[in-house]
Amino acid sequence: DSGVTQTPKHLITATGQRVTLRCSPRSGDLSVYWYQQSLDQGLQFLIQYYNGEERAKGNILERFSAQQFPDLHSELNLSSLELGDSALYFCASSSSGETEAFFGQGTRLTVV
Amino acid sequence: DAKTTQPPSMDCAEGRAANLPCNHSTISGNEYVYWYRQIHSQGPQYIIHGLKNNETNEMASLIITEDRKSSTLILPHATLRDTAVYYCIVRVGLGAGGTSYGKLTFGQGTILTVHP
Repeated sequence: DSGVTQTPKHLITATGQRVTLRCSPRSGDLSVYWYQQSLDQGLQFLIQYYNGEERAKGNILERFSAQQFPDLHSELNLSSLELGDSALYFCASSSSGETEAFFGQGTRLTVV
Repeated sequence: DAKTTQPPSMDCAEGRAANLPCNHSTISGNEYVYWYRQIHSQGPQYIIHGLKNNETNEMASLIITEDRKSSTLILPHATLRDTAVYYCIVRVGLGAGGTSYGKLTFGQGTILTVHP
């Protein structure tokens, strides 16, 4: 158990819908990262927050957004969902950019 | 972040040492070498990291060449449960400035298959 909790574990939704994925980082970790892993692609970095502020942005679509709340949990919002958004979404946390990041078990999103 | 090059796949016999190489010839002085693995769609698991010196923990050893342009992850006694995709990543630390703030950029990794 990495200490990073992601909910829900599985999510099935229809095209055009909006979903919210939640991540609770390890206790004390200030940095949260979101990744997407599709079947045909590797782990793609989406976005990083550090102590509530956005710090780095990767290949995140405009339909996707994220935030980190004062209690340090983070949410990834995916809207206008398309079939191609079906993927595993992982959250990771670290205490700083120099310490190791620990990953949650992911949310498997299926868009039908 | 520096780009890494890893062989796409490797095999290893159970009980033998698995040596996974990684080239990172463009690594900067403030970049760390990290190793993660991913077992069948589970969340990536941190293994080990280092800056200049060799490192060892309960899972593995990390050997970094003196010029830091390559490294080797060693699993001393591989088991069937070590079958996974292994990722070598170079990562800028938080204190190094810039805007990456320690994000991890994953490549394709090495698929390690441990055989009985």
